[in-house]
Amino acid sequence: QVQLVQSGAEVKKPGASVKVSCKASGYTFTTYYIHWVRQAPGQGLEWMGIINPSGAGTSYTQMFQGRVTMTRDTSTSTVYMELSSLRSEDTAVYYCARGARIGAPNDNWFDPWGQGTLVTVSS
Amino acid sequence: SYVLTQPPSVSVAPGQTARITCGGNNIGTKSVHWYQQRPGQAPVLVVYDDSDRPSGIPERFSGSNSGNTATLTISRVEAGDEADYYCQVWDSSSDYVFGTGTKVTVL
Repeated sequence: QVQLVQSGAEVKKPGASVKVSCKASGYTFTTYYIHWVRQAPGQGLEWMGIINPSGAGTSYTQMFQGRVTMTRDTSTSTVYMELSSLRSEDTAVYYCARGARIGAPNDNWFDPWGQGTLVTVSS
Repeated sequence: SYVLTQPPSVSVAPGQTARITCGGNNIGTKSVHWYQQRPGQAPVLVVYDDSDRPSGIPERFSGSNSGNTATLTISRVEAGDEADYYCQVWDSSSDYVFGTGTKVTVL
């Protein structure tokens, strides 16, 4: 079955960077977009950006421009999300989720989701 | 930016029907997707493209979308339906947008 498995929880100090991984299985890795979504404690879902695992093209929401980098490794079917210059407000659960088949319209859904990775930013 | 507004909470007795609204400007012209998130778990897609259900999602979950409001309806509510529910659309100006979320409480 299609599955996304994320790396474990992280604790970082303010100003540091964090890199979260998301390993895909059960389908051809390069045929679907992968999105990253975060959820602060007790808050709603916030879309961060998207990566095309085939050509490595990315698009980030303006809020994270300059601080987020999404990459992929096709040899291991893994995508990565790195967030730099961390601050306390970045404390959240970070999810990866599979999006549309590459070439399909943008107005698509997220399914499935990874289990989430808690990133805690604290001095 | 495009905004999706949901009621913070909906309470429903077991066996009754829960309706969760998602308001947005001309949302009827967009494809709306719905997610269920149980406490401590990742979101799960329950309705896509306004009214379609993924495999494995009970028929009790249904959706509609018209005008400025999309609605997720949960029929014959069960205790296991207690969760947060989010609507989501894609907008050409705002990219992927989630609703504010609705907590469904089963009385």
